[in-house]
Amino acid sequence: DIVMTQSPDSLAVSLGERATINCKSSQSVLDSSNNKNFLAWYQQKPGQPPKVLIYWASTRESGVPDRFSGSGSGTDFTLTISSLQAEDVAVYYCQQYFISARTFGQGTKLEIK
Amino acid sequence: QVQLQQSGPGLVKPSQTLSLTCAISGDSVSSNTGVWNWIRQSPSRGLEWLGRTYYRSKWYNEYAVSVNSRLTINPDTSKNQFSLQLNSVTPEDTAVYYCAREATGGNGWYLFYFDYWGQGTLVTVSS
Repeated sequence: DIVMTQSPDSLAVSLGERATINCKSSQSVLDSSNNKNFLAWYQQKPGQPPKVLIYWASTRESGVPDRFSGSGSGTDFTLTISSLQAEDVAVYYCQQYFISARTFGQGTKLEIK
Repeated sequence: QVQLQQSGPGLVKPSQTLSLTCAISGDSVSSNTGVWNWIRQSPSRGLEWLGRTYYRSKWYNEYAVSVNSRLTINPDTSKNQFSLQLNSVTPEDTAVYYCAREATGGNGWYLFYFDYWGQGTLVTVSS
């Protein structure tokens, strides 16, 4: 299996400030044949299922605010929220879909400072 | 708009079978582009993919190694739903269970991220 490791485990950011969450995979999730990274980011609020925000490491899902962006390639990825809003309080997960056995990071809890 | 509606008991006794159902609307369990998954979430194991079923001229099932010997995922085309059966449960199987659809490409042969999720079912294994 590919192990996904996120950092930090928790993060407190002031409203309007930038939040950055990192994700590292134990092996590359880049398909060199099409230069696509098989990496998605999800947001999960209490009592709700995860919701996809970003796929292909940097493509925003329809309807996701443009303050959310994804970057990185190979084994190292970042989710950035450019200006934190109150409704962004949640747990964020990365997930690889490079191999059939899907795996998720342990999650990063984002709170307001 | 795809919707997944889960049903099933919230309490199962140790050594018994955990059974859940996921009813699909807005898509078909037997479509050539749908891929239907079960995922669970617990404090100790985080989000854990369990398995999937999909139809591409015939039915395919794939299971996580961790539950392979105990898990069965079955499609039910008459009711447009799919089910999870996990045998010989222990307290370690206590979790919130989700059904989810995987987005696909390449006429359904390339499987991607999870784009639709059920509401989740908390299942407790306890006597």
